[in-house]
Amino acid sequence: SQELEQSPQSLIVQEGKNLTINCTSSKTLYGLYWYKQKYGEGLIFLMMLQKGGEEKSHEKITAKLDEKKQQSSLHITASQPSHAGIYLCGADVTGNQFYFGTGTSLTVIP
Amino acid sequence: NAGVTQTPKFRILKIGQSMTLQCAQDMNHNYMYWYRQDPGMGLKLIYYSVGAGITDKGEVPNGYNVSRSTTEDFPLRLELAAPSQTSVYFCASRKRGGGGSYNEQFFGPGTRLTVL
Repeated sequence: SQELEQSPQSLIVQEGKNLTINCTSSKTLYGLYWYKQKYGEGLIFLMMLQKGGEEKSHEKITAKLDEKKQQSSLHITASQPSHAGIYLCGADVTGNQFYFGTGTSLTVIP
Repeated sequence: NAGVTQTPKFRILKIGQSMTLQCAQDMNHNYMYWYRQDPGMGLKLIYYSVGAGITDKGEVPNGYNVSRSTTEDFPLRLELAAPSQTSVYFCASRKRGGGGSYNEQFFGPGTRLTVL
């Protein structure tokens, strides 16, 4: 199933640089969630977006959901080594099922 | 609150063996989910439950079974384990939203399963 397409698959950035991760669906997203996963560990919830045009920020991470509710972006400002990990978008698409994107692996070089 | 707990953390099975992965949550959440995560991939939904006594298939249910006799517990059963079931298994739960709203899922730490 390719309900959610995530890009890029991997990112290597220098510490201090900004970066953006995208999550796209061909269907309307009723709830869009961003999670972070450290290698070999469980998922940590970052943010949830529900309304078209919604934008949320926490510390240096900002997430947006477009007006059509089919695309979300996660933006990290002034990246730090602590931001390294796998970022996953997840969404309520149909009924009670839930889909995840394939993930974006982020490496931050000090 | 312990949140979502999973046991065991690691397990090695031989082909054809069976086992049950345990999942429990103490947050009184209605919804519970089982996912598998293969290397370099996102999570795929195996089964989910919207309440005690109610379960339904996700994207990749073949080779697995679940039951939900209580709100707290949602065990995942593997019958006749195959190498293709080598993966990391995550259990999650969430509170039912109301009026068109949704809530985030809370995840357990995962079970790393190898089938040889």
